[in-house]
Amino acid sequence: EVQLVQSGAEVKKPGESLKISCKGSGYSFASYWIGWVRQMPGKGLEWMGVIYPADSETRYSPSFQGQVTISADKSISAAYLQWSSLKASDTAMYYCARGSRISSFDYWGQGTLVTVSS
Amino acid sequence: QSALTQPASVSGSPGQSITISCTGTNNDIGDYNYVSWYQQHPGKAPKLMIYDVSDRPSGVSNRFSGSKSGNTASLTISGLQAEDEADYYCSSYISSATVVFGGGSKLAVL
Repeated sequence: EVQLVQSGAEVKKPGESLKISCKGSGYSFASYWIGWVRQMPGKGLEWMGVIYPADSETRYSPSFQGQVTISADKSISAAYLQWSSLKASDTAMYYCARGSRISSFDYWGQGTLVTVSS
Repeated sequence: QSALTQPASVSGSPGQSITISCTGTNNDIGDYNYVSWYQQHPGKAPKLMIYDVSDRPSGVSNRFSGSKSGNTASLTISGLQAEDEADYYCSSYISSATVVFGGGSKLAVL
């Protein structure tokens, strides 16, 4: 059974750093794209970027380029989304998802709620 | 890149058919057959309903269908059921080799 399990909810202060994770199981992790999607409170889905774990090819939405870093460790079937300096506007639910192509995600993680507040 | 344009809300009665539109440009929907549709119930992760404009993943009801004409993609739900009440999002591959979502449409089953 394909599963994506994300790390737990985080509460951080502005300016702090953060790295959240997404661990895949039940499939060949390196052979599928992992994407990250943001959903701010009460708002829609936003495509942030993707990584192909086999070779770490990464693509970012222009809206998120330079704001976050996407990485992966195929040896432990995990992908990551990290911030070096959080802002209050980063408060959102973050989903990871799997796709054979970047254009569609067939399995999703349960989401990680990130709250940034002073 | 701008989000694809969807109606904020749509509604229908049980048993009816509804269509949700998703309008883009020549740089996304108009140029690529890589449109997907997702269903999201409150508090849940999105679920893939349609990919590559009109293909359904295994396990998705055939009441859901997708199409495209020019720069506009559409999701049609036939035989509307109470459980279909949810938010629906379209997405498309775009010319910058990334993907953009639509703003989302809230479906009410009256």
